[in-house]
Amino acid sequence: QQQVKQSPQSLIVQKGGISIINCAYENTAFDYFPWYQQFPGKGPALLIAIRPDVSEKKEGRFTISFNKSAKQFSLHIMDSQPGDSATYFCAASMEGETSGSRLTFGEGTQLTVNP
Amino acid sequence: EPEVTQTPSHQVTQMGQEVILRCVPISNHLYFYWYRQILGQKVEFLVSFYNNEISEKSEIFDDQFSVERPDGSNFTLKIRSTKLEDSAMYFCASSDWDSYYGYTFGSGTRLTVV
Repeated sequence: QQQVKQSPQSLIVQKGGISIINCAYENTAFDYFPWYQQFPGKGPALLIAIRPDVSEKKEGRFTISFNKSAKQFSLHIMDSQPGDSATYFCAASMEGETSGSRLTFGEGTQLTVNP
Repeated sequence: EPEVTQTPSHQVTQMGQEVILRCVPISNHLYFYWYRQILGQKVEFLVSFYNNEISEKSEIFDDQFSVERPDGSNFTLKIRSTKLEDSAMYFCASSDWDSYYGYTFGSGTRLTVV
């Protein structure tokens, strides 16, 4: 119920191409869906996030598409660059007023953008 | 930009020893968290802390683990008697009054138990 499934495990894209990473969740109580980018030896850094009341959110080259009925959301990276090479994690959370927000992470996608 | 600071960056300890991992969350944040990431695996929630007490913990966070906010700035994770399987990256995070706002992770402490 708490799981978030992410695919693919690894992705290789040419510079300028579109990278697409998909996630699916089960718990309909989740109300916040962030994507994190992680470089080796660093902590996860928030890239972009969406709430279930919208179907799409775009920030620069990064877009989240959200399908509430299918319980799926995806990250699109347009015009992928070698500097985008990193591990990407989707996550989901339910906000708790006194408990904070426990993030449930997907398994991660290792993205490599070839020059 | 405000940062979550973790020390040390790498700690090696012998099995059975106690370790304390330290974190300085962002100063005006109210919620504090610990996560861990075993090499090559996903990030897993350990515990959240609010108003000077544990607000939620996962099944991983057993009696071997404890957290403390000993003063107004530090947030610590103690592992009482380390096991080999405790080897992982441990990330501290903090967030603001809206618990999604400013949710920021530190760079982590790599714990190696030998």
